[in-house]
Amino acid sequence: ETGVTQSPTHLIKTRGQQVTLRCSSQSGHNTVSWYQQALGQGPQFIFQYYREEENGRGNFPPRFSGLQFPNYSSELNVNALELDDSALYLCASSSRIDRTDTQYFGPGTRLTVL
Amino acid sequence: RKEVEQDPGPFNVPEGATVAFNCTYSNSASQSFFWYRQDCRKEPKLLMSVYSSGNEDGRFTAQLNRASQYISLLIRDSKLSDSATYLCAASNTGGFKTIFGAGTRLFVKA
Repeated sequence: ETGVTQSPTHLIKTRGQQVTLRCSSQSGHNTVSWYQQALGQGPQFIFQYYREEENGRGNFPPRFSGLQFPNYSSELNVNALELDDSALYLCASSSRIDRTDTQYFGPGTRLTVL
Repeated sequence: RKEVEQDPGPFNVPEGATVAFNCTYSNSASQSFFWYRQDCRKEPKLLMSVYSSGNEDGRFTAQLNRASQYISLLIRDSKLSDSATYLCAASNTGGFKTIFGAGTRLFVKA
């Protein structure tokens, strides 16, 4: 196991609602990245948080936002949910301290938007 | 053109076979490369990191060709348990952004 945890495991929402997903990074890791993985696709980079600030963003609209806390845990918030937001949301933690960027994934949150 | 491209497969091979996957990347600034294994409805799990020309871990060998901008993964003596989707990924300096390919499906049959 990687030590990266995510909650909740599964979530069902309706179009237009808002959702918050949570991630706890592996001990010693100070960087958290969020990905969206649709069925049959590879993970798509949403953004990365380092030292509580967004540090790189993929091609996702502003209604995808996030936070990182002093303990390096992180939240992903999605407003005004759309049907296409249905996917597996993965967080991955990594460490800048040792200058590696190897990422270790949590089990993911499966979001269904009806 | 996608930043990281893989042959989606599926690759259907018998047990014991050797199988190779290729992955190309378009961003010449990419510095670090990875192979992940993903089982159905599970998270990706790191298989190998590739920082230089390549490395080997048991039955698995990864190679990097910066001039041609591709990474390969070779699996020798395939096992039934190797059946999974294999994702390659490339990240820029400092890992600010990691881009994944869509994955290659492998089925190993008895």
